[in-house]
Amino acid sequence: DAGVTQSPTHLIKTRGQQVTLRCSPKSGHDTVSWYQQALGQGPQFIFQYYEEEERQRGNFPDRFSGHQFPNYSSELNVNALLLGDSALYLCASTPTSGTEAFFGQGTRLTVV
Amino acid sequence: KQEVTQIPAALSVPEGENLVLNCSFTDSAIYNLQWFRQDPGKGLTSLLLIQSSQREQTSGRLNASLDKSSGRSTLYIAASQPGDSATYLCAVKRYSTLTFGKGTMLLVSP
Repeated sequence: DAGVTQSPTHLIKTRGQQVTLRCSPKSGHDTVSWYQQALGQGPQFIFQYYEEEERQRGNFPDRFSGHQFPNYSSELNVNALLLGDSALYLCASTPTSGTEAFFGQGTRLTVV
Repeated sequence: KQEVTQIPAALSVPEGENLVLNCSFTDSAIYNLQWFRQDPGKGLTSLLLIQSSQREQTSGRLNASLDKSSGRSTLYIAASQPGDSATYLCAVKRYSTLTFGKGTMLLVSP
């Protein structure tokens, strides 16, 4: 079992650009959540996808959007990047009936 | 709004010590509580999951307890080793999302 995989591992973007991050959930997991972790902080919930729809959303602007595909993989898109968007972006997956969340290794985004 | 606090923010101990990490949360209406380990710049590794109806869970040298009514959880690490050095995060789950504390950074010296 490959676990939760995220790509790319590192990314450098310029202010104003757009970025897409990708996540493949653990086998058998159909729910994907995205979190943003700034340096020295705990992860903050961005949104969650289930059955290809956004089920819940945290306190993040509309510049943050996502998508879930029929194979349960997911993308996180961020438009009009700001310096403050620099962070580690974490993807977590859970099965429908499960309770334990499993995280990927994260994507380190640096906005310059 | 749920708030999660972890004390201490950092801890440095010599190898072999038993230690306790603390986590408190403001809203006791949680579904479960999960402890994670995070190595620098890496993702989160799940250590222990305690359902809201449970009082504790054990895995090897780790033991986590939960007192939902008082909004507290502790992670006990027995006979600490240098390889335990990492940041430990607790997270509470309500509905289907996790709310995290800022973590306790642990350094175990040989």
